[in-house]
Amino acid sequence: KNQVEQSPQSLIILEGKNCTLQCNYTVSPFSNLRWYKQDTGRGPVSLTIMTFSENTKSNGRYTATLDADTKQSSLHITASQLSDSASYICVVSGDTNAGKSTFGDGTTLTVKP
Amino acid sequence: DAGVIQSPRHEVTEMGQEVTLRCKPISGHNSLFWYRQTMMRGLELLIYFNNNVPIDDSGMPEDRFSAKMPNASFSTLKIQPSEPRDSAVYFCASSRQGAATEAFFGQGTRLTVV
Repeated sequence: KNQVEQSPQSLIILEGKNCTLQCNYTVSPFSNLRWYKQDTGRGPVSLTIMTFSENTKSNGRYTATLDADTKQSSLHITASQLSDSASYICVVSGDTNAGKSTFGDGTTLTVKP
Repeated sequence: DAGVIQSPRHEVTEMGQEVTLRCKPISGHNSLFWYRQTMMRGLELLIYFNNNVPIDDSGMPEDRFSAKMPNASFSTLKIQPSEPRDSAVYFCASSRQGAATEAFFGQGTRLTVV
């Protein structure tokens, strides 16, 4: 069964600190992995998309890594800001049909001043 | 571009009533997705259209749910009759084509069935 597991479930950090969110998946075959940020009351916004051949992708202070061999991904946030407080969702697609996607339950990040 | 536009933003209806949610995808995007999000189940894909044709509706919970995409700029998700367990936030998203491209989400419709 295709699964995407994210950890931790929730995280609280102080403003300015770094943090790393984890995503482990068992989706096969693999097409791509996406990280989304969802602010409270809003729709998810794509942060990064990585295919099999990509190991690292950055988007500003967000850096995603992918190890297709161990089926693990991480999202690293540098110099956190209060606006980073949100839910971060890992989504893995099993083929080029975007409908075949498996969603993680998300990590809720709270950045405190 | 204004992004993916959903309406209404909020809907409160009585059990048994028909509910229609609307979505206008980003112009030029070929793929459209309807998702449901709840605290218990997270984000779930309900149905996916490609070039206005339903490709995968395996996520549609039951016959009470139906979705249409009569043209490239409009889609509806209908629930008839609605039940309290349908209460959730429903998102519409669009992308250029396929999973390799970025999906853009609308603001969502918060549905409450009482």
